[in-house]
Amino acid sequence: EAQVTQNPRYLITVTGKKLTVTCSQNMNHEYMSWYRQDPGLGLRQIYYSMNVEVTDKGDVPEGYKVSRKEKRNFPLILESPSPNQTSLYFCASSKGYGSSYNEQFFGPGTRLTVL
Amino acid sequence: EDKVVQSPLSLVVHEGDTVTLNCSYEVTNFRSLLWYKQEKKAPTFLFMLTSSGIEKKSGRLSSILDKKELFSILNITATQTGDSAVYLCAVEPILYGNKLVFGAGTILRVKS
Repeated sequence: EAQVTQNPRYLITVTGKKLTVTCSQNMNHEYMSWYRQDPGLGLRQIYYSMNVEVTDKGDVPEGYKVSRKEKRNFPLILESPSPNQTSLYFCASSKGYGSSYNEQFFGPGTRLTVL
Repeated sequence: EDKVVQSPLSLVVHEGDTVTLNCSYEVTNFRSLLWYKQEKKAPTFLFMLTSSGIEKKSGRLSSILDKKELFSILNITATQTGDSAVYLCAVEPILYGNKLVFGAGTILRVKS
């Protein structure tokens, strides 16, 4: 089944404790992206990657890191989480970019709480 | 700054009603507009619109784009309780790879 998977689905952690949220897709998609969703603000892009070893900042990259060493995986790293990073996080992938390829498939989401 | 505004923020209707959800946008070098439905999980794709005045249709849902007035509408006819969800509108600017700029969403609740 074609899908985007994220782990963990739920995480409660404390300020400053480094964490990684994994994202994997099995559709051989070139493009992957991370979003956070907060009430009243919609989805905001954190980072995106257009291919292996190619990543760039989205709208809200502060406090986050990403890497793209393999096409299928795009982990999100919070080196020193803070309470303002409490949010619902989505990973998404698409075949490429441009109108024909821009349908993004979303993972199930990771609900992160930073105390 | 690229911006997407959806209205209303929320609405409650009865089964069988028709609803219209609005999405207006300001974006540099528009490429496409997308609608997603989000229930208690990940957003799922509904429509992508790139050309003005051409209606996209899928069952009871339809959407149209007006590139001159910079807005899109999503219509749902004969609503059902299963249509209850958050509906998200997103636009894609040309310049930034595959970036999507999302609106805050419209919360639709359909009562039986």
